[in-house]
Amino acid sequence: DAGVTQSPTHLIKTRGQHVTLRCSPISGHKSVSWYQQVLGQGPQFIFQYYEKEERGRGNFPDRFSARQFPNYSSELNVNALLLGDSALYLCASSLEEVSDSPLHFGNGTRLTVT
Amino acid sequence: GEDVEQSLFLSVREGDSSVINCTYTDSSSTYLYWYKQEPGAGLQLLTYIFSNMDMKQDQRLTVLLNKKDKHLSLRIADTQTGDSAIYFCAEGPYNTDKLIFGTGTRLQVFP
Repeated sequence: DAGVTQSPTHLIKTRGQHVTLRCSPISGHKSVSWYQQVLGQGPQFIFQYYEKEERGRGNFPDRFSARQFPNYSSELNVNALLLGDSALYLCASSLEEVSDSPLHFGNGTRLTVT
Repeated sequence: GEDVEQSLFLSVREGDSSVINCTYTDSSSTYLYWYKQEPGAGLQLLTYIFSNMDMKQDQRLTVLLNKKDKHLSLRIADTQTGDSAIYFCAEGPYNTDKLIFGTGTRLQVFP
């Protein structure tokens, strides 16, 4: 079975631009979460979506937004990019409605803002 | 607030056991996780433990949880060079995907 897939794998943008990152969860998983991992740090929670509804939001500015589609795939959007947005963006999925359902991560999208 | 702490670096000889430690602060955490990250890759789930358990063993991996001291450890038996990576401890409540991660422990295995 395919794991969590993310696209693109790498991206270079300029300050002020907008970016859209995409994620497909593991088949059967209805919950998708997004994390930001800055170099040398652990991942930080950005959003969780379950059944197309936002279930949680981390401490990120309104420039960050996300959505989940009927097929449970998800997009993360970041507007007005800053240099500090350069990071590895990780998508994760889980069954969520099942008690013993750990979080599985994709390989991430590495975003560089110049 | 919620916080997870790990030592930054661990170096072991191939064939020895590795023990990576983690402390957390959120007493309401239900699940505690260990993830592995190799260079340029995402996070690979290694194992996880429910907070009402003391120990979990899975092949070469042993997780010990001391809930009173909020201390979690991961023991890797017969450490191999392929185990060289960054290991993240994470905590999270039941039925949510909002995990709190530590800063990671870089494990270096030398021959």
